[in-house]
Amino acid sequence: QVQLQQWGAGLLKPSETLSLTCAVYGGSFSGYYWNWIRQPPGKGLEWIGEINHSGGTNYNPSLKSRVTILVDRSKNQFSLKLSSVTAADTAVYYCAKVEAQTRNPHGPWGQGTLVTVSS
Amino acid sequence: DIQMTQSPTSLSPSVGDRVTLTCRASQGISKSLAWYQQKPGKVPKLLVYAASRLETGVPSRFSGSGSGTDYTLTISSLQPEDSATYYCQQYYSIPLTFGGGTKVEIK
Repeated sequence: QVQLQQWGAGLLKPSETLSLTCAVYGGSFSGYYWNWIRQPPGKGLEWIGEINHSGGTNYNPSLKSRVTILVDRSKNQFSLKLSSVTAADTAVYYCAKVEAQTRNPHGPWGQGTLVTVSS
Repeated sequence: DIQMTQSPTSLSPSVGDRVTLTCRASQGISKSLAWYQQKPGKVPKLLVYAASRLETGVPSRFSGSGSGTDYTLTISSLQPEDSATYYCQQYYSIPLTFGGGTKVEIK
């Protein structure tokens, strides 16, 4: 079964850029959309955006001006960059997999990365 | 954006109870609906997709149903390990959106 493993900096100062990477192990990289989702402490889930294997992206309009999702097909990895972070961006960030044809979510998410924004 | 409203926000059933959670979309989503279970400090786990299809490995006491704007997740006989928060998610249109969650605490 596909496993997602993610990593990135966990502590940022306001105005810095959040950068996370998610690696895909044990399965095909094509035929899926690769998603980022976040969850502020004690709150609900928010979809950030997604990318497919050829680089096509969809972003949440609420974050679109600050978000970039990139794909590295050679490494079966995709990444999230969120610029100009504030305390409101403090959250656990998850990567996840969605079937491109059906749009059905599929399989386990990444283990999550807590990103804290604090001066 | 499609708004997802879950009800109730919390409930305290007993072991063995039949539990039904509801999720309502602000517009029709053609069964593009998933349910997740999240335990404290853990990663959300996919239970159901396409409104009624059980993810591999999920116990058969979980079932999903619904169409149009109204969807339900049913736990036929609640077990102690089902204590968790449950979220619905629509993937009919961008941006994908989640409900606010229903917290199930075993009495």
